[in-house]
Amino acid sequence: AQKVTQAQTEISVVEKEDVTLDCVYETRDTTYYLFWYKQPPSGELVFLIRRNSFDEQNEISGRYSWNFQKSTSSFNFTITASQVVDSAVYFCALSEPFPIQGAQKLVFGQGTRLTINP
Amino acid sequence: EAQVTQNPRYLITVTGKKLTVTCSQNMNHEYMSWYRQDPGLGLRQIYYSMNVEVTDKGDVPEGYKVSRKEKRNFPLILESPSPNQTSLYFCASRGQNTNQPQHFGDGTRLSIL
Repeated sequence: AQKVTQAQTEISVVEKEDVTLDCVYETRDTTYYLFWYKQPPSGELVFLIRRNSFDEQNEISGRYSWNFQKSTSSFNFTITASQVVDSAVYFCALSEPFPIQGAQKLVFGQGTRLTINP
Repeated sequence: EAQVTQNPRYLITVTGKKLTVTCSQNMNHEYMSWYRQDPGLGLRQIYYSMNVEVTDKGDVPEGYKVSRKEKRNFPLILESPSPNQTSLYFCASRGQNTNQPQHFGDGTRLSIL
């Protein structure tokens, strides 16, 4: 069965520090998708990135970057020069394709609560 | 504006009193889903729907019902709520392609006393 593990329950850093959130996944599928979502204190879930299993290129978006390594089944998320507004719970998720075409379940990790202190 | 709308956002109720959480999306998405979020467990899927009149169980369907009579709506029904259903609930939708991200509503916080 698919599984996503975010071993870091909580992380607290001082503003402007770099921080990496770890995500390790398990799947037997050869085709799958990985996602990161942000949940700010207001509670909504905000989509950050999607990565498919055939694309191992790292991605950078402003202060955010993602490191996908199939060899270690990891999809880590780094925030450079963190800011107080980055404080949130971050979820890593793995798509689990069903036999029925088009069906999909997102398997979520437990989440990492990131606190950026001024 | 593309969005998934859930109502109510907050609800406190008592054991056994039937309740419905509504979910509506304006993106003409075929796929819709319900999740619950609990501390230390992340989000777990309750039910999903591939299209109108097509629904199926997720990981934690016990105590819940859903219906999909119209493409835009996917209500979550708790026929006889119990305290262990106190949780934060999210509705999500997505188009046909599995590589698309799911769009989530803002969440509904239910407290069952």
